[in-house]
Amino acid sequence: GAVVSQHPSRVICKSGTSVKIECRSLDFQATTMFWYRQFPKKSLMLMATSNEGSKATYEQGVEKDKFLINHASLTLSTLTVTSAHPEDSSFYICSARRGEGPEQYFGPGTRLTVT
Amino acid sequence: AQSVTQPDIHITVSEGASLELRCNYSYGATPYLFWYVQSPGQGLQLLLKYFSGDTLVQGIKGFEAEFKRSQSSFNLRKPSVHWSDAAEYFCAVVYYNAGNMLTFGGGTRLMVKP
Repeated sequence: GAVVSQHPSRVICKSGTSVKIECRSLDFQATTMFWYRQFPKKSLMLMATSNEGSKATYEQGVEKDKFLINHASLTLSTLTVTSAHPEDSSFYICSARRGEGPEQYFGPGTRLTVT
Repeated sequence: AQSVTQPDIHITVSEGASLELRCNYSYGATPYLFWYVQSPGQGLQLLLKYFSGDTLVQGIKGFEAEFKRSQSSFNLRKPSVHWSDAAEYFCAVVYYNAGNMLTFGGGTRLMVKP
């Protein structure tokens, strides 16, 4: 149990367009979902935390107007990269937490390339 | 501030040799500790975790880790490394009652020589 999926796994978009990444908890209800960004050969950087039905909490330095997060249900959170630029190219990973416990379940990641 | 340190950025071992990856966390409230492995272009896979109880925890793929509170460490070990173990390894900690936020170490890249 505790499977998290992400879609798409890879996406290439043109500069100036927007792209949406979905994160789903497949077999549990996620009270909290997290979005991370990972640069090549680096660790994961937390971008934002989202709770179902409320606004996401963004980490310092993350532009909330560029990275729109919606947590519409207990099984789905979306990250929309608006007006993407090449510097937004990265590996984006979501995770979900079940209840209030410490463990997060990670999705397989989405590779975004902006040309 | 909470922090996790993985002192070794790269480690190279020969296949069949033993492995120890170091992880130190900043002192704080009760820590929950995790080790993850990431192959290139892939997501994170949980190797093992420590919440409480026996300080030596067994994980998948033959890995184990020992929680040493006195040293603020949670080192990962494997007695005999296989070529397929080559990957990036991340140590992470959650502090209970500190927002339950996961803090990652910088990662250790493991290379395995034939």
